[in-house]
This record gives sequence, structure tokens and C-alpha cells, in this order.
Amino acid sequence: DTGVSQNPRHKITKRGQNVTFRCDPISEHNRLYWYRQTLGQGPEFLTYFQNEAQLEKSRLLSDRFSAERPKGSFSTLEIQRTEQGDSAMYLCASTLSTGIETQYFGPGTRLLVL
Amino acid sequence: SQKIEQNSEALNIQEGKTATLTCNYTNYSPAYLQWYRQDPGRGPVFLLLIRENEKEKRKERLKVTFDTTLKQSLFHITASQPADSATYLCALDPSNTGTASKLTFGTGTRLQVTL
Repeated sequence: DTGVSQNPRHKITKRGQNVTFRCDPISEHNRLYWYRQTLGQGPEFLTYFQNEAQLEKSRLLSDRFSAERPKGSFSTLEIQRTEQGDSAMYLCASTLSTGIETQYFGPGTRLLVL
Repeated sequence: SQKIEQNSEALNIQEGKTATLTCNYTNYSPAYLQWYRQDPGRGPVFLLLIRENEKEKRKERLKVTFDTTLKQSLFHITASQPADSATYLCALDPSNTGTASKLTFGTGTRLQVTL
């Protein structure tokens, strides 16, 4: 399967715990995006990378959130001291930065904070 | 404020009919607009992209129109089938740079096609 993959697919954690999600983009794609989606809403942009550089972060991304993309390949999104409001689907997408490009999404990681 | 609005209520139609979904935007000047399909528990899947200088785009049973004066895009599925049942999202690049730095999505419209 050469699509975008995300792990884990589901995560249940207790409030205050830290969680980390991983995204493996399509191999030749140099741009990688993170979005968050809550029930009944469309995905909301969180941050994106071009190669290993993090080029933009949304105001939605509080200090408890951090994302990395070492070596410009896979990316991790960490949430520290999780809150119940962090419960959502976290989506990763990738694309090539050659102009107007559609984004290819992974299956998402569903987070439930108890 | 900037907004992308889609019908929040589910659209129920009979198999074989044409489904028409609406996307209205406010305070954006997008160079293009995209439509995605999302099934429950899955990530969005790209369907069609239409640029600001295109009035209409077709792909098999799908058709998208883009009216920059009305600030509206319509998404049509002809000869709809139960397999078309899903949530359909419209999205645009809010920066208008045309380089897909990020996408802003509407809330999506859930389509239910019944036999």
C-alpha cells in the first residue's frame, strides 16, 4: 500500500497523559499536513511541513502540541497533558509542492481523552 | 469573517436521481476549489478540483460548477447510487497563493442515497 498511513488508528488515554501519533506520507511527497476533525465538522488545519521545515502553525495549535518531521520523511504529532477537548480525529495528508496539488489523506487517528 | 458554508442537514435522495450539493464562501478569493468525499471513520478522498477561470468540470457522473460572482460552487452526482452515500466536503486554499499551503474545509454535507 503506497498511500498515507497513520498509527495508531485509535488511542484512548486519560486526561493529563501525553500521546504521540505517527504519519508516514506517500514517499515522493515533500509536503505533509496535520488536520484535526471533530464530529460534524470539516477538518481544521493544524500545521504543515515542507521537507523537514515546519512552515506554518495554526492558532489552534496550543503550546501543548508539537509536531516534527525529522529528515523530511515521517512526521509525529505529540500532545502533552491531554484534555478532554483534544478528543478528535487527527488526520495527516501529503502532497507535492509543484503548484496546485490535491492532498492525499491518511485514515486518521481517533483520540479519546477520558 | 471568513466562512465556508455547506448544507448542514443531510440530503436524502432516491437512487437514480441527481444529487446537488452547495458550497458558499464568504470573504475568500480562492484561485480554485476542491471537493472531497469522506466515509465514516476514514480520511477525505479527493474528487474534483475547479479553478477560478473554469465554469464547469466533469468526471464520470460528477460535475462541479464554480461561480466566483456568487461565491458558490455546486457539486452534482448524476444517476446516484447507494454507494455514493457519504459526506462531501468542499475546500479551498485561504491564502489564494495557488500553492496549496493548506486547505480550509466546509462542514460537509451528508448524502444518503436510498433504493
